[in-house]
Amino acid sequence: AQSVTQLDSHVSVSEGTPVLLRCNYSSSYSPSLFWYVQHPNKGLQLLLKYTSAATLVKGINGFEAEFKKSETSFHLTKPSAHMSDAAEYFCVVSEKKGSQGNLIFGKGTKLSVKP
Amino acid sequence: IAGITQAPTSQILAAGRRMTLRCTQDMRHNAMYWYRQDLGLGLRLIHYSNTAGTTGKGEVPDGYSVSRANTDDFPLTLASAVPSQTSVYFCASSDSGYQPQHFGDGTRLSIL
Repeated sequence: AQSVTQLDSHVSVSEGTPVLLRCNYSSSYSPSLFWYVQHPNKGLQLLLKYTSAATLVKGINGFEAEFKKSETSFHLTKPSAHMSDAAEYFCVVSEKKGSQGNLIFGKGTKLSVKP
Repeated sequence: IAGITQAPTSQILAAGRRMTLRCTQDMRHNAMYWYRQDLGLGLRLIHYSNTAGTTGKGEVPDGYSVSRANTDDFPLTLASAVPSQTSVYFCASSDSGYQPQHFGDGTRLSIL
């Protein structure tokens, strides 16, 4: 069975410092992996996706993530945090089973950015 | 701007009442989904539809029903609301069942 674990429920960084949001997954099949961001009172927006091409994936707003199969990890990083990055981030795994995919969401990491 | 429209944006409802949450997409996506989001539990899938005319149960389907009469609309109905259904409900759509999903801005529902 597939699952997603976001290792930190809350991460706090100072503006201009690096961001690291950690995600581990388990999957019986070749997974697709996504990161979504949710700003307050908004829906989820896709940041980036991994679908078995390059292991280093670049997304919007300067975020990127690296797929490491040996570590079953898909951590999200950004070199320099901006105040507008404060939001909740969700790691998501998708398994293709026949014609039906199944998205499993992590419980989220709330990112706070201090001035 | 293409996307997903959910209505209402928020609602307070008495327990026992019937409520339909509306969801419309204009991207011609085949698959649509309903999730609920609760603090500490993340997003949980209620029902999904791979294509017009078909629906399926997700992780937490009890107390909810859906229909998919056409490609664009995917309403979610609470036949008799209970306080445990207080949540934020998100509708989403995708080209297919395992592609990235596009989300609406949610409906905040409080059952008293």
